[in-house]
Amino acid sequence: GAVVSQHPSWVICKSGTSVKIECRSLDFQATTMFWYRQFPKQSLMLMATSNEGSKATYEQGVEKDKFLINHASLTLSTLTVTSAHPEDSSFYICSARGEAGGPKTQYFGPGTRLLVL
Amino acid sequence: AQSVTQLDSHVSVSEGTPVLLRCNYSSSYSPSLFWYVQHPNKGLQLLLKYTSAATLVKGINGFEAEFKKSETSFHLTKPSAHMSDAAEYFCVVTSNRDDKIIFGKGTRLHILP
Repeated sequence: GAVVSQHPSWVICKSGTSVKIECRSLDFQATTMFWYRQFPKQSLMLMATSNEGSKATYEQGVEKDKFLINHASLTLSTLTVTSAHPEDSSFYICSARGEAGGPKTQYFGPGTRLLVL
Repeated sequence: AQSVTQLDSHVSVSEGTPVLLRCNYSSSYSPSLFWYVQHPNKGLQLLLKYTSAATLVKGINGFEAEFKKSETSFHLTKPSAHMSDAAEYFCVVTSNRDDKIIFGKGTRLHILP
């Protein structure tokens, strides 16, 4: 139980294009989803928190117009990197939290590797 | 204010010997504590969690951790290391009051044959 998927697992795109990453909770309803970014050999950096049906809350220093987050249902959140640039290349990981495992337990997706050329 | 300190960035143990990964936390309010494992280029897998019930928590793959309030610690242990345990381990604190999430910097566990 408590499985979270991400799609795609990796993506290569040209500079200036937009990329959408999906995060799905497969067997539970996720009232809250989180988006993280991870640089090589570093810990996870929280980018934003999204609650179903409401606007995402972005961490300080994260551009909300650059990283668009939509949490349209209790099982799906999307992150769109708009006008991607090489410095946006990174490993993006989502997590979901809901009734599974208790109110504070996050379950993580497998991550999406983004490479912007 | 909350903080998490993973005291070792790297730990090396021989296969079959005990594992100890240390985590100290600071929290003004009652915290929930988690250990996650990350294998290369993968997401994070939940090993175990403490959420104000039993202080000795048993997790998957033979891992366990003990919440010690007096020492503000939540160290992760395993009696006998296996080669497949080689990975990055993260200690995570979530405040039960304001829901703030803090990640430790991670500990890379190396298993020597």
